[in-house]
Amino acid sequence: DAGITQSPRHKVTETGTPVTLRCHQTENHRYMYWYRQDPGHGLRLIHYSYGVKDTDKGEVSDGYSVSRSKTEDFLLTLESATSSQTSVYFCAISVKETQYFGPGTRLLVL
Amino acid sequence: AQSVTQLGSHVSVSEGALVLLRCNYSSSVPPYLFWYVQYPNQGLQLLLKYTSAATLVKGINGFEAEFKKSETSFHLTKPSAHMSDAAEYFCAVSGGNTGGFKTIFGAGTRLFVKA
Repeated sequence: DAGITQSPRHKVTETGTPVTLRCHQTENHRYMYWYRQDPGHGLRLIHYSYGVKDTDKGEVSDGYSVSRSKTEDFLLTLESATSSQTSVYFCAISVKETQYFGPGTRLLVL
Repeated sequence: AQSVTQLGSHVSVSEGALVLLRCNYSSSVPPYLFWYVQYPNQGLQLLLKYTSAATLVKGINGFEAEFKKSETSFHLTKPSAHMSDAAEYFCAVSGGNTGGFKTIFGAGTRLFVKA
C-alpha cells in the first residue's frame, strides 16, 4: 500500500462543467502522475509532477490542467468536461523506477 | 518512440493450465520492465519487475517473467492457472528512452480462467 487516495471515487457530470479530481499521498514522494485508462489503450499519461509547482504534460494533456501546491496533493482539472473525457482516472507515485497506483476515479460525462 | 506491445487482448485458459501472456518492447537501451495486474474496480498492482539483476524474475502469486534481450520480450508465465488469476494484466517499460521516470504501458491482456 503506497498510501495513495483519490477523491471522488465516482462522479457523474454534465458536458461543459469543470471537474477537479484529487490525489493525496501520505509518504512525501516527489513524483506524481495522472493517467486515464480506456479500453484498448491501457494507461495513458495526462500530466505529471516532479515537485511542488513543477508539472509537465503527458501524451494526452489537451483539455486537462494540474496543480501541485503541496507535496501530498496533486489535482487534475477538466476545464470544460466533454464526453470524450469519460474514463477511469488513476493517480500514481513513483519510488525510483517503479510506479504505484491509487484506486482510481470513475468519471462519466453526460 | 518507446512502445510496448501485448499480443492478444484476451487470453482464456482452463484452471490448472499454463498461463502465458506475451509482451514485446522497443528500446535502444536496457530498460526497466514491469508486469502489473488489475482486478475489477481496483487500481494496478505491481506483479513483478525486471531491473537487470536477473533475467528470470519471480513475482507474487506464482507468476514469473523472463527478460530476453535478443527478442526484446518479457513474457509472463504461471505454470498452473487458478480462478483467482482472472484479471487484466499490463506490461510496462520505463527508463531507457522513455524519458527518465516516465512509464509506457501496453494495452493490456484480459485473462479468463475456465473451471
